[in-house]
Amino acid sequence: DSGVTQTPKHLITATGQRVTLRCSPRSGDLSVYWYQQSLDQGLQFLIQYYNGEERAKGNILERFSAQQFPDLHSELNLSSLELGDSALYFCASSLGQGMAKNIQYFGAGTRLSVL
Amino acid sequence: GESVGLHLPTLSVQEGDNSIINCAYSNSASDYFIWYKQESGKGPQFIIDIRSNMDKRQGQRVTVLLNKTVKHLSLQIAATQPGDSAVYFCADIFLGGSQGNLIFGKGTKLSVKP
Repeated sequence: DSGVTQTPKHLITATGQRVTLRCSPRSGDLSVYWYQQSLDQGLQFLIQYYNGEERAKGNILERFSAQQFPDLHSELNLSSLELGDSALYFCASSLGQGMAKNIQYFGAGTRLSVL
Repeated sequence: GESVGLHLPTLSVQEGDNSIINCAYSNSASDYFIWYKQESGKGPQFIIDIRSNMDKRQGQRVTVLLNKTVKHLSLQIAATQPGDSAVYFCADIFLGGSQGNLIFGKGTKLSVKP
């Protein structure tokens, strides 16, 4: 168990809908990262938050947004969903900046199916 | 652009043999490298890391080798076991960049034959 909790584990929805994925980082970790993993693809970095503030953006669509709350949990919002958004979404957390503090620990993921 | 890639998408080994998983990276300024293991239905799990000022690091049954001259990273697993079957990702990070985030390769699937 990595200590990172993601809910829900599975999500089935229809095109055009909006969903929210939730992540609770490991105790003490200040950074939260979101990744998308499609079938047979590697991990695509979406966005990072550090202590409540957006720190870095990757290949995140404009239809997607995220935030990190004062208690450090994070939510990833996906809107106007398309079939191609079906994927595994992972959250990871790390202590923060610097060498070893950048080791990211991953949650079990949320499997999103858009029908 | 910056990329981290893997030489082989799949690797099949006999139980008890040693496994070697290779990875190439493109950013010569990368500071830090990490190997992750992802079992089916689970999130990636940290295995071992190595700093750019090292060329070898050993863990329990695993060894990571770094060759900065050719920008190559490898993960060696000794006495491979069925439980080692998974997809292995390498990732690198450049701490001097604005992001300082991990860039993952596509992964190598390791299958262990009993």
